[in-house]
Amino acid sequence: QKEVEQNSGPLSVPEGAIASLNCTYSDRVSQSFFWYRQYSGKSPELIMSIYSNGDKEDGRFTAQLNKASQYVSLLIRDSQPSDSATYLCAVNWKGGGADGLTFGKGTHLIIQP
Amino acid sequence: SQTIHQWPATLVQPVGSPLSLECTVEGTSNPNLYWYRQAAGRGLQLLFYSVGIGQISSEVPQNLSASRPQDRQFILSSKKLLLSDSGFYLCACTRDRGNSPLHFGNGTRLTVT
Repeated sequence: QKEVEQNSGPLSVPEGAIASLNCTYSDRVSQSFFWYRQYSGKSPELIMSIYSNGDKEDGRFTAQLNKASQYVSLLIRDSQPSDSATYLCAVNWKGGGADGLTFGKGTHLIIQP
Repeated sequence: SQTIHQWPATLVQPVGSPLSLECTVEGTSNPNLYWYRQAAGRGLQLLFYSVGIGQISSEVPQNLSASRPQDRQFILSSKKLLLSDSGFYLCACTRDRGNSPLHFGNGTRLTVT
């Protein structure tokens, strides 16, 4: 069974620091990886996609992918109180088709002012 | 980019009553459509997905059903709601069966009393 694991948290980070969120997955044939942010009571919002090994930067966000070690991480620089949310990791399995996207249960991030 | 419309935003229904949630998509044609449920404090659970009109795949056996009467319309239904059907229902879409990320609608908060 394909699984995506995240530490549920809460992860508490002081304002202005770097928040580091981690995600591991069980299957080596995974092809694409996504990070979603979900505010309480709201729907998930896509913030990053990454498809190949290495780092991908978008503003204050950096996604890091290491397929050999089967983990993907999200770094948030200069953390702001508005970054407080649950962050969901999602993995698309190679050949998984329409049902191939599996979500982790999310990490609750709290940015302390 | 696609826009997903979901309604209603909140719904309170008694046990045993019927349910109909509707989702429509703008800005793309022939999308893959999904219904997810997120119970309180739990992860996203895929309920149904559809790759085309009239094509529905069920991930979880339960008293819910889905239909896709038009290319960009996806409906979630139940004949008799259970208490365990309470949750946050999310419609989502992708453009294709490849590596495109999911985009979510704003969701419907269903409380069964």
